[in-house]
Amino acid sequence: GAGVSQTPSNKVTEKGKYVELRCDPISGHTALYWYRQSLGQGPEFLIYFQGTGAADDSGLPNDRFFAVRPEGSVSTLKIQRTERGDSAVYLCASSLNPSDTEAFFGQGTRLTVV
Amino acid sequence: AQSVTQLGSHVSVSEGALVLLRCNYSSSVPPYLFWYVQYPNQGLQLLLKYTTGATLVKGINGFEAEFKKSETSFHLTKPSAHMSDAAEYFCAVTRTGTASKLTFGTGTRLQVTL
Repeated sequence: GAGVSQTPSNKVTEKGKYVELRCDPISGHTALYWYRQSLGQGPEFLIYFQGTGAADDSGLPNDRFFAVRPEGSVSTLKIQRTERGDSAVYLCASSLNPSDTEAFFGQGTRLTVV
Repeated sequence: AQSVTQLGSHVSVSEGALVLLRCNYSSSVPPYLFWYVQYPNQGLQLLLKYTTGATLVKGINGFEAEFKKSETSFHLTKPSAHMSDAAEYFCAVTRTGTASKLTFGTGTRLQVTL
């Protein structure tokens, strides 16, 4: 596809369960970013990958959150022992190079923890 | 630390009227400033950015913004609103000049009426 693809578009899970959210960046983009957007708020930075490695994970709220990008393309955001406060839209973005000023965002995954 | 404040969570204008969306920033270092737009059911899209150089920045769809250091502002304007401009607009700041680790405002929803 031409843009950043995120799956699933919606996810409902029970409190305490484990979830995985997937991001397919634009082909060839080396930089990948995860953001979280809670209701009525702007997106908040979570983690940034350059290639396969996490260049900055300072936005991850706690150790229940983890993200990987094993082959430098697709990334998975993993949330363990989900809590109701984790409910939000999780956004993924990518850019061709880390030095680029423009990132291309996906439509997001809406996570609801019940 | 950096932050942006968007005054007015909702703004309503008539079609053909001036659009003015306000953004003030706080930054201990020279900031890099962005405006993103989010149309319903779509990902965030970059409208324009200020990194260095000319303080009046022109973006897509007829929007422009002016960086005013003395006022710590980066307000977004468009001379004549169109119905298709109805969307949510986010101001963002970063200290890196790149798309990594953006700090977003809470957003302003623009409504355009006939």
